[in-house]
Amino acid sequence: DTGVSQDPRHKITKRGQNVTFRCDPISEHNRLYWYRQTLGQGPEFLTYFQNEAQLEKSRLLSNRFSAERPKGSFSTLEIQRTEQGDSAMYLCASSAPGGRYNEQFFGPGTRLTVL
Amino acid sequence: QKEVEQDPGPLSVPEGAIVSLNCTYSNSAFQYFMWYRQYSRKGPELLMYTYSSGNKEDGRFTAQVDKSSKYISLFIRDSQPSDSATYLCAINPGAQKLVFGQGTRLTINP
Repeated sequence: DTGVSQDPRHKITKRGQNVTFRCDPISEHNRLYWYRQTLGQGPEFLTYFQNEAQLEKSRLLSNRFSAERPKGSFSTLEIQRTEQGDSAMYLCASSAPGGRYNEQFFGPGTRLTVL
Repeated sequence: QKEVEQDPGPLSVPEGAIVSLNCTYSNSAFQYFMWYRQYSRKGPELLMYTYSSGNKEDGRFTAQVDKSSKYISLFIRDSQPSDSATYLCAINPGAQKLVFGQGTRLTINP
């Protein structure tokens, strides 16, 4: 399968714990995005990498959130001291260099439940 | 004002009906418009994109942009139960991120 993969698919954690999610983009895609989707809403942009550089962060990304893409391949999103409001689907997407309309290919998401 | 607004539905129609899904957007400078389809517990997948104004057709699907009224539409002809999903409109505001509407949940009843 050459699509975007995410791990884990589901995560249940207790409030206050730290969690880390992984995203493997489509190989040869140099751009990687994280979005958050809550129930009944569309995805909301969190952050974007071009290669290993994090070029944009949403104000939604509080200081408890950190994302990395150390070698320009896979990416991790860590949430520290989770809160119940962090419960959501975390989606990763990737896109190829160039292209005018920025077609983004999404992974299946990691569903986080904070108890 | 949100950059993209979409009626969340839900929308339920009989099989074979023509479905019309709509979004409005706020900034007349936007040029790229997309429709994503999202099945339950899956990530969104790109269905169609359009540039500027006009229509684009792909099989049973037609995407339409009316820049004068800042309105984008997706029409599904001969709807099938397998079309049951959430449909998300999205714009590319010129930056790398996509801005999505709320999504319309569609059910096609056999």
